[in-house]
Amino acid sequence: GAVVSQHPSWVICKSGTSVKIECRSLDFQATTMFWYRQFPKQSLMLMATSNEGSKATYEQGVEKDKFLINHASLTLSTLTVTSAHPEDSSFYICSASGRTYYNEQFFGPGTRLTVL
Amino acid sequence: AQSVTQLDSQVPVFEEAPVELRCNYSSSVSVYLFWYVQYPNQGLQLLLKYLSGSTLVKGINGFEAEFNKSQTSFHLRKPSVHISDTAEYFCAAYYNQGGKLIFGQGTELSVKP
Repeated sequence: GAVVSQHPSWVICKSGTSVKIECRSLDFQATTMFWYRQFPKQSLMLMATSNEGSKATYEQGVEKDKFLINHASLTLSTLTVTSAHPEDSSFYICSASGRTYYNEQFFGPGTRLTVL
Repeated sequence: AQSVTQLDSQVPVFEEAPVELRCNYSSSVSVYLFWYVQYPNQGLQLLLKYLSGSTLVKGINGFEAEFNKSQTSFHLRKPSVHISDTAEYFCAAYYNQGGKLIFGQGTELSVKP
């Protein structure tokens, strides 16, 4: 099956710093990648959708200058949380779909971000 | 609006008992349905999916689900649960219009000895 990895799996940073999270599709070409945020005991909230080589489409209420998304290749997307604050602490999950799996998303293991 | 509703936020059940986790979706001409399981501090693992064909779908770990178009439901079932099935379960729908995966609120399955 299709495998998606995320790095790092967890990160702790100081308030005001920026953090980059990587999402990679290991065995397929991901034409579209998705970034989700999940608060404790809650469902996944879609933050943005990115297509390879084009700008990400952000969901309503998500600050695009705060959460920078880059999808530079068919196997890599990055989410950068800029000037992180404690309220940005959350579980971030990426997913990917490709031409072969256009109606299905494969999820990464998630990244736990804690901002002190 | 497209939506997915999981009717139970928590389902406690004893080990070896049967379980059903309920999911309803908003009607659409074209919809694909999924059930995912999430263990603490982990990503989502696909249990099963309905894309087309037989309405009874079998997945991993002994789970199955039935697509019911008239009732717009996709309930997840397992005839005998184990302690290791304790986790959060998410129902999701992919609508061709919009191209997004819509998640339900999640159901916490708690299996007790």
